[in-house]
Amino acid sequence: EVQLVQSGAEVKKSGESLKISCKGSGYSFNSFWIGWVRQMPGKGLEWMGIIYPGDSDTRYSPSFQGQVTISADKSTTTAYLQWTSLKASDTAMYYCARQEGGPTSTFDYWGQGTLVTVSS
Amino acid sequence: QSVLTQPPSVSGAPGQRVTISCTGSSSNIGTSHDVHWYQQLPGTAPKYVIYGNNYRPSGVPDRFSGSKSGTSASLAITGLQAEDEADYYCQSYDTSLSASVFGGGTKLTVL
Repeated sequence: EVQLVQSGAEVKKSGESLKISCKGSGYSFNSFWIGWVRQMPGKGLEWMGIIYPGDSDTRYSPSFQGQVTISADKSTTTAYLQWTSLKASDTAMYYCARQEGGPTSTFDYWGQGTLVTVSS
Repeated sequence: QSVLTQPPSVSGAPGQRVTISCTGSSSNIGTSHDVHWYQQLPGTAPKYVIYGNNYRPSGVPDRFSGSKSGTSASLAITGLQAEDEADYYCQSYDTSLSASVFGGGTKLTVL
């Protein structure tokens, strides 16, 4: 069974750093793209970027380029999303999801989401 | 403002048919790239209900169907049921942005 299990909720202050995780299991982790999607409170879905764990090929949305870093560790089948300096506007639910064929394809499996709350 | 435009809300009575539109441009839906649709129930992660414009994944009722024409796409739900009440999002790829993009989402209310 394909599963994506995300790390727990985080409460941070503006200016702090953060790295959240998404552990994949039940499939060949190296062979499928993993993406990150932001959902701000009461708002819609936003595609942030994706990574191909097999060779670490990473693509970012222009809106998020330079704001976050996406990475993956093949040895632990875990993808990561990190910030070096959080802002209050980063408060959101963050989902990881498998985007099988890359940025043009559908997200077929989703994590449960990680709620990030940033206070100023 | 989303690259793909959806109506904020639609509604219908049980048993009726509703459609949700997703309007894009020549750099996204108007290209050869597929449109995918997601259902998000309150407090849960999204789930895909249509992929590749008009394909239903296993387990999704055949009451759900998708279509694409020109720079627009649509999700149709027939035989509306209370359990269909959710937010729905379209997704495609934008060649100008070199990024996947979502529509702003549509809240479906079953009256």
